[in-house]
Amino acid sequence: EIVLTQSPGTLSLSPGERATLSCGASQSVTSNYLAWYQQKPGQAPRLLIYDASSRATGIPDRFSGSGSGTDFTLTISRLEPEDVAVYYCQQYASSSPPWTFGQGTKVEIK
Amino acid sequence: QVHLVESGGGVVQPGKSLRLSCAVSGVRFSNYAMHWVRQAPGKGLEWVTVMWYDGSNEYYADSVKGRFTISRDNSKNTVYLQMDSLKAEDSAIYYCGRGSAAAGNMFVENWGQGTLVTVSS
Repeated sequence: EIVLTQSPGTLSLSPGERATLSCGASQSVTSNYLAWYQQKPGQAPRLLIYDASSRATGIPDRFSGSGSGTDFTLTISRLEPEDVAVYYCQQYASSSPPWTFGQGTKVEIK
Repeated sequence: QVHLVESGGGVVQPGKSLRLSCAVSGVRFSNYAMHWVRQAPGKGLEWVTVMWYDGSNEYYADSVKGRFTISRDNSKNTVYLQMDSLKAEDSAIYYCGRGSAAAGNMFVENWGQGTLVTVSS
């Protein structure tokens, strides 16, 4: 089973700042089969990024994903108050499930 | 627009059973795999199970294997989660999710709003 470790646990930044969230895998994530989800308080998760760097439909271009192998990054280029949420990475590279989630990174506004 | 609506959650005693449903609209249901993902209070997301588009394959997390069963009715655009021998640690919001593909490697492209299951005596 691939274990995903996200860092930091909490990120506190000012509006307009750049947010960098990391997701490390215990083994290589083949074909860059890694997704990022956003979960705002009291809401269901929403797909942001798939295949490590492809933005989902309707996602603002201030969100971008990068990385390969065992190290992946979600970047929010200019943080807005509406971006307050917990962000999860998930790998779907395993030949069969489980397709595991990271433990999440909470993004707060200062 | 794709909509997923879960139902069937509630309070149930340990050892009892519960069946969740998830009705899907806005997409050709029979073309996609369907997932269940849960979230215990104040915790992160835990992938639970997936069924391929035609019901030919299903997979489970070790934590629920042998107790939970996923099924689908493509004529009703609905996926189900039968939960037996429930434990306190199964208490969570249960989300259904539409897979990005019919089978194989995939992410969850659309999510329902979730239904709360509480296992307590």
